Amino acid sequence: NAGVTQTPKFRILKIGQSMTLQCTQDMNHNYMYWYRQDPGMGLKLIYYSVGAGITDKGEVPNGYNVSRSTTEDFPLRLELAAPSQTSVYFCASSYPEDTQPQHFGDGTRLSIL
Amino acid sequence: AQKITQTQPGMFVQEKEAVTLDCTYDTSDPSYGLFWYKQPSSGEMIFLIYQGSYDQQNATEGRYSLNFQKARKSANLVISASQLGDSAMYFCAMREGRDQGAQKLVFGQGTRLTINP
Repeated sequence: NAGVTQTPKFRILKIGQSMTLQCTQDMNHNYMYWYRQDPGMGLKLIYYSVGAGITDKGEVPNGYNVSRSTTEDFPLRLELAAPSQTSVYFCASSYPEDTQPQHFGDGTRLSIL
Repeated sequence: AQKITQTQPGMFVQEKEAVTLDCTYDTSDPSYGLFWYKQPSSGEMIFLIYQGSYDQQNATEGRYSLNFQKARKSANLVISASQLGDSAMYFCAMREGRDQGAQKLVFGQGTRLTINP
């Protein structure tokens, strides 16, 4: 199993550009999440989804949008890139049960210059 | 206020020694869960261990155990017989209640553990 796959692994954007970070999982998990990790910090939740067609905001949603049209895919869109969005982005997925951990992708390192 | 506090930015331990990584949390929700993740220098997040707020016993997973002291709101990770491969960042995270069933995790700032040969 591939688990959670994120593309691209690295990207450099100019201020004001847009891009979509891709995330797909093959574990048939209902729940999917997007986090960002700033240097030397823990992860912060951007958006999450409990199933296809259902998304909601996390702790730091400003400047981002998401959609969930299928169980497998949960793309994250940056509309107008700003230097403050320079970060490592992690996608994760999980089963509904409380004891089940979130499984993370390898991350996308994004720099906005 | 910080919901998850990891007070040790960095720790240095000799190989084969046991090490305790501290984590305190703040919540008024009676139902919560605590997770520990390892992040090697390669960057991926690896799940280590889970403790539920209603669990009667401390969680264990191989060389990892969790010293859960509910009254003190602490959930310290204990790694026995440390190995060079244990060198990494370690994050404590908490799930409070449930929102539409989703696990909304709050992470601490992490502890960088270095194992010396």
